[in-house]
Amino acid sequence: SYVLTQPPSVSVAPGQTARITCGGNNIGSKSVHWYQQKPGQAPVLVVYDDSDRPSGIPERFSGSNSGNTATLTISRVEAGDEADYYCQVWDSSSDRPWVFGGGTKLTVL
Amino acid sequence: QVQLVESGGGVVQPGGSLRLSCAASGFTFSSYGMHWVRQAPGKGLEWVAFIRYDGSNKYYADSVKGRFTISRDNSKNTLYLQMNSLRAEDTAVYYCAKDLYEQQLADYWGQGTLVTVSS
Repeated sequence: SYVLTQPPSVSVAPGQTARITCGGNNIGSKSVHWYQQKPGQAPVLVVYDDSDRPSGIPERFSGSNSGNTATLTISRVEAGDEADYYCQVWDSSSDRPWVFGGGTKLTVL
Repeated sequence: QVQLVESGGGVVQPGGSLRLSCAASGFTFSSYGMHWVRQAPGKGLEWVAFIRYDGSNKYYADSVKGRFTISRDNSKNTLYLQMNSLRAEDTAVYYCAKDLYEQQLADYWGQGTLVTVSS
């Protein structure tokens, strides 16, 4: 089955740029979606279809996807961005069509 | 605004059953597919099941196939998950989520309900 690999943690100072990667075999051929989950809360969709943002999500959140790596970029990081971030793809050929990465804990220093 | 409110979680013994509900509002429930996704304590997200907008097709993760049943009542704007033959590894927070399009992702999630399988 398809596997997505994320770094367990990323740390960044306020005001800097955070980049969270999501690796998968030829992931560039798939649509990648990103969810933010704060402690004790439900996930929130922050980027879908590689680089689109739902309404209400700040422009500071952006995404890209090429080759074997998709990236969620958070510009001008704020303390409120501290959360777990999960990438997700839809693999229609799999017995488990939704595939999630293991999640990345973003720490704002 | 879209609201999804899960209920029905609790503590159940191994081998027992539980039915979760998800009350939806703020959108035309009968026009959208719905998912159940779970998260074991301290772990990542795991997709569980999906049902099409009209209930005509249902899909399950292998880990729950044959034990869990997803259903919906569009007249009541409610999604269900019937869970039978529960195991310790089913312990998790269960979220219902609204499909954005074609089963591929969810744009709104409920706050979740905790299911604990323990003797």
